[in-house]
Amino acid sequence: DTGVSQNPRHKITKRGQNVTFRCDPISEHNRLYWYRQTLGQGPEFLTYFQNEAQLEKSRLLSDRFSAERPKGSFSTLEIQRTEQGDSAMYLCASSLALLATNEKLFFGSGTQLSVL
Amino acid sequence: KNEVEQSPQNLTAQEGEFITINCSYSVGISALHWLQQHPGGGIVSLFMLSSGKKKHGRLIATINIQEKHSSLHITASHPRDSAVYICAVRPGQGAQKLVFGQGTRLTINP
Repeated sequence: DTGVSQNPRHKITKRGQNVTFRCDPISEHNRLYWYRQTLGQGPEFLTYFQNEAQLEKSRLLSDRFSAERPKGSFSTLEIQRTEQGDSAMYLCASSLALLATNEKLFFGSGTQLSVL
Repeated sequence: KNEVEQSPQNLTAQEGEFITINCSYSVGISALHWLQQHPGGGIVSLFMLSSGKKKHGRLIATINIQEKHSSLHITASHPRDSAVYICAVRPGQGAQKLVFGQGTRLTINP
């Protein structure tokens, strides 16, 4: 399978615990995005990387959230001290961006987080 | 008010009907995307538009930049078209992120 892969598919955790999600983009894609989606809503932007550089972070992303893409390939999103409001689907997308107007995003299936 | 508004929020139709989903946005954009999301989360990009009209099979997407409006049409709808259809815009000229609408849930009954 050469699509965007996210692990785990589902994560159930207790409030206060730390969780880490992984995204493996399509190889050779230089851009990687993290989005969050709650039930009945469209995805909300969290952050994005161009290669290994994190170029933009949403104000939605509190200090408890951190994302890395250390070698410009896979990325991790960590949430520390989880809260019930963090429960959502976390989506990763990648693209080979040559021109912004021609950029096509490829999405993973997401990681569904439930904080009890 | 959200920057991207879709209508209707829910749409139920019979197989074979012509479907129209609308998207209005309030900011200047460099591109607009239509995406399809099936249960379980998977999102597939259908179209990316900066002007005019695009067609792929039974799907047609149009955009009117002056009116800040786009439509997605499905001809000869089929139950397998049942999904959530999401409009997303890339604001401005330098922004990289997409701003999404809330989605339109489409159900096609046989």
